[in-house]
Amino acid sequence: EAQVTQNPRYLITVTGKKLTVTCSQNMNHEYMSWYRQDPGLGLRQIYYSMNVEVTDKGDVPEGYKVSRKEKRNFPLILESPSPNQTSLYFCASSLTSGGGTQYFGPGTRLLVL
Amino acid sequence: SQQGEEDPQALSIQEGENATMNCSYKTSINNLQWYRQNSGRGLVHLILIRSNEREKHSGRLRVTLDTSKKSSSLLITASRAADTASYFCARRETGANNLFFGTGTRLTVIP
Repeated sequence: EAQVTQNPRYLITVTGKKLTVTCSQNMNHEYMSWYRQDPGLGLRQIYYSMNVEVTDKGDVPEGYKVSRKEKRNFPLILESPSPNQTSLYFCASSLTSGGGTQYFGPGTRLLVL
Repeated sequence: SQQGEEDPQALSIQEGENATMNCSYKTSINNLQWYRQNSGRGLVHLILIRSNEREKHSGRLRVTLDTSKKSSSLLITASRAADTASYFCARRETGANNLFFGTGTRLTVIP
């Protein structure tokens, strides 16, 4: 089944404790992206990747890192999480550019205490 | 980049009625897409309309695009309780490789 998977789905952590949210797609998509969703603000893009080893900042990249060492995986790293990073995070992928149809993962709900 | 504006923010209708949601934007676009999100879940793509298209249909969905007014609308006909969800428009701005999402319309269909 074609899908985007994220892990973990739920995470509670404390300020400053490094964490990684994994994202994987099995559709051989070139483009992958991370969004955060907050009430009243819609989806805001954090980082995106056009292909392996090619990443770029989105609208709200501060406090986040990403890597794209393999085509299928695009982990999101929070080196030192803070409470303002409490949010619902989505990974998405698209066949070529990000302007095409995007396929979303199920989301990761993060609470930073 | 600025987010698109969706209107209304929330909409409540009776089952069987039609639901119309609107999306406005400020830039030149390549395409505009509509997505659906059930509470707390991932977004699901519904329909894509290109800038040179004016109307598209998919089942009970009808999307229009007016590039002169920089606006789009999503019509869901004969709504069902299962249509209850949030609906987002997302635009691909000319020259960009990303999608920019609006803040969404929360639709409630009352059985």
